[in-house]
Amino acid sequence: GAGVSQSPSNKVTEKGKDVELRCDPISGHTALYWYRQSLGQGLEFLIYFQGNSAPDKSGLPSDRFSAERTGGSVSTLTIQRTQQEDSAVYLCATRIGQGPSPLHFGNGTRLTVT
Amino acid sequence: DQQVKQNSPSLSVQEGRISILNCDYTNSMFDYFLWYKKYPAEGPTFLISISSIKDKNEDGRFTVFLNKSAKHLSLHIVPSQPGDSAVYFCAASARGNTPLVFGKGTRLSVIA
Repeated sequence: GAGVSQSPSNKVTEKGKDVELRCDPISGHTALYWYRQSLGQGLEFLIYFQGNSAPDKSGLPSDRFSAERTGGSVSTLTIQRTQQEDSAVYLCATRIGQGPSPLHFGNGTRLTVT
Repeated sequence: DQQVKQNSPSLSVQEGRISILNCDYTNSMFDYFLWYKKYPAEGPTFLISISSIKDKNEDGRFTVFLNKSAKHLSLHIVPSQPGDSAVYFCAASARGNTPLVFGKGTRLSVIA
């Protein structure tokens, strides 16, 4: 498809386990962002990648969270030793690159930590 | 500290009438503003944007107004349709690719 693709769409995991969430961006979009939305909250910025530059990790809530973007394309967000407060919808978004332009979002991964 | 605030968590409007969604921001460096619409189990969908050099941008039934001195923007939907029922997020960013900062959203219900 032509849009941002995220997998899995739903993930249930036990507290303490590690999880990996995947994002396939729109082809040609050089900027990639991860956000999360907890229940009743707005979208919280986590991390962003722009081309080959070092990622902006300023939004990551703890060192249990990390992300990488291989070859400027697919990105994975990893959460180690998951906690119940990590339960949220994790959204990936991409945009063309330089200059102000809208973010295009995937449908998200709903993570539930039991 | 919330930099983008949507003070109305919900709004109910009759079909055919105007819907007005409001958003306030605190960061004077913001120069690009957007509205997104979100249906359940889907990602946010871009609706309309405005840069700080303008005070109005229109796209069909959707118009965004920006009042820089008041640090306030609003989204007008006219006429409102039942399919417009969704959660609307206001977002803002400073120049370049800095991350968008989102409000908490306003749930719009358009009643037939």
